[in-house]
Amino acid sequence: AQSVTQPDIHITVSEGASLELRCNYSYGATPYLFWYVQSPGQGLQLLLKYFSGDTLVQGIKGFEAEFKRSQSSFNLRKPSVHWSDAAEYFCAVGAGGFQKLVFGTGTRLLVSP
Amino acid sequence: NAGVTQTPKFQVLKTGQSMTLQCAQDMNHNSMYWYRQDPGMGLRLIYYSASEGTTDKGEVPNGYNVSRLNKREFSLRLESAAPSQTSVYFCASSVKKVVRGSRVTNEKLIFGSGTQLSVL
Repeated sequence: AQSVTQPDIHITVSEGASLELRCNYSYGATPYLFWYVQSPGQGLQLLLKYFSGDTLVQGIKGFEAEFKRSQSSFNLRKPSVHWSDAAEYFCAVGAGGFQKLVFGTGTRLLVSP
Repeated sequence: NAGVTQTPKFQVLKTGQSMTLQCAQDMNHNSMYWYRQDPGMGLRLIYYSASEGTTDKGEVPNGYNVSRLNKREFSLRLESAAPSQTSVYFCASSVKKVVRGSRVTNEKLIFGSGTQLSVL
């Protein structure tokens, strides 16, 4: 069965600094990969997704992620973090049918002034 | 505004009470889902409905039932609430995307804003 690991529970980044959130997955074939963001008291919103093709995918709000098959990773990056990026970020993997979306445990991003 | 609407936003129950969480979407999506979110555990799928008239169990279905009333509405029922069901519940909907021939995946999930449920 597929699984997702987000090794960092919390990350604090200074405003204007770069960001990388880690995501590792386990799945036997090429997975479908997603990053979602959750602001406090809200549902999740899709940031970006990878289905096939170019391994560097661009998303909303200036985020990007790179699929690295050799490392089973799909890390999320942003060159310059804004205070409004403070939220919880979830990596997810879909496999074996569209309903089987497995979420990681999330990484909470704190942005310091 | 188009999207997924959940009611209620907050609910407190006593152990053994029953209740139904309501969910409706107006995007003409075929698939709908119920997730629960607990600290340190991410989101876990309770039940899903791939299309109107069908429902299937997800990862954590015990203690819950669902009804896909029509294409728009997908409700979640707790028949006899337990403290272990204290959680934040999210409804979501999606469309399918065909990728690489016959394989399908979610295009993306659209989530409601959640129901915070406490069972005392």
